[in-house]
Amino acid sequence: AQSVTQLGSHVSVSEGALVLLRCNYSSSVPPYLFWYVQYPNQGLQLLLKYTTGATLVKGINGFEAEFKKSETSFHLTKPSAHMSDAAEYFCAVSARGGSNYKLTFGKGTLLTVNP
Amino acid sequence: DTAVSQTPKYLVTQMGNDKSIKCEQNLGHDTMYWYKQDSKKFLKIMFSYNNKELIINETVPNRFSPKSPDKAHLNLHINSLELGDSAVYFCASSLKGEGLRTEAFFGQGTRLTVV
Repeated sequence: AQSVTQLGSHVSVSEGALVLLRCNYSSSVPPYLFWYVQYPNQGLQLLLKYTTGATLVKGINGFEAEFKKSETSFHLTKPSAHMSDAAEYFCAVSARGGSNYKLTFGKGTLLTVNP
Repeated sequence: DTAVSQTPKYLVTQMGNDKSIKCEQNLGHDTMYWYKQDSKKFLKIMFSYNNKELIINETVPNRFSPKSPDKAHLNLHINSLELGDSAVYFCASSLKGEGLRTEAFFGQGTRLTVV
């Protein structure tokens, strides 16, 4: 079964500092991986996704993630944090559910950005 | 135009009551989901429908009954509400034809509080 593990339930950075949110996956088949962001009292918004091809994936708001098969990782990074990046971030893997497909989420990482 | 819309956004009710949450998507997707987010922000799939047909039912108590009148709507009816049902419920939609690449588009969530 596919699963993801997010290391660190809470990450705190200073404004302008590097953001690194960690995600490791477990999958018996080539994984399709996603990062979502949830701002307070909002729904989830897709940041980026890896399906096939280039292992460095660029997303919205300056975020990117690199798929590393050898490390079974899909860490999310942003070179310079902004106050508006404060949110909950979820890594997810796509898996079959019967004849449908479903997302299995990690437990989330809360990012706080200090001025 | 809101892509996936849920109503109501907030719902406070007493134990034992029956309540419904409505969801509509205008993305032309053929697959819709209900996810539950608990107090620790953990997201778990509850149901998945494809073209009005129930595909995934993830060991949810049968007090929860989804209904899909057409592929653009997926409602969630909950009977005999319990304190443990308090959570945020998210509706989402996707295109089954995308397979494992499928990304889900989420509504804003319904915060259900059972008192």
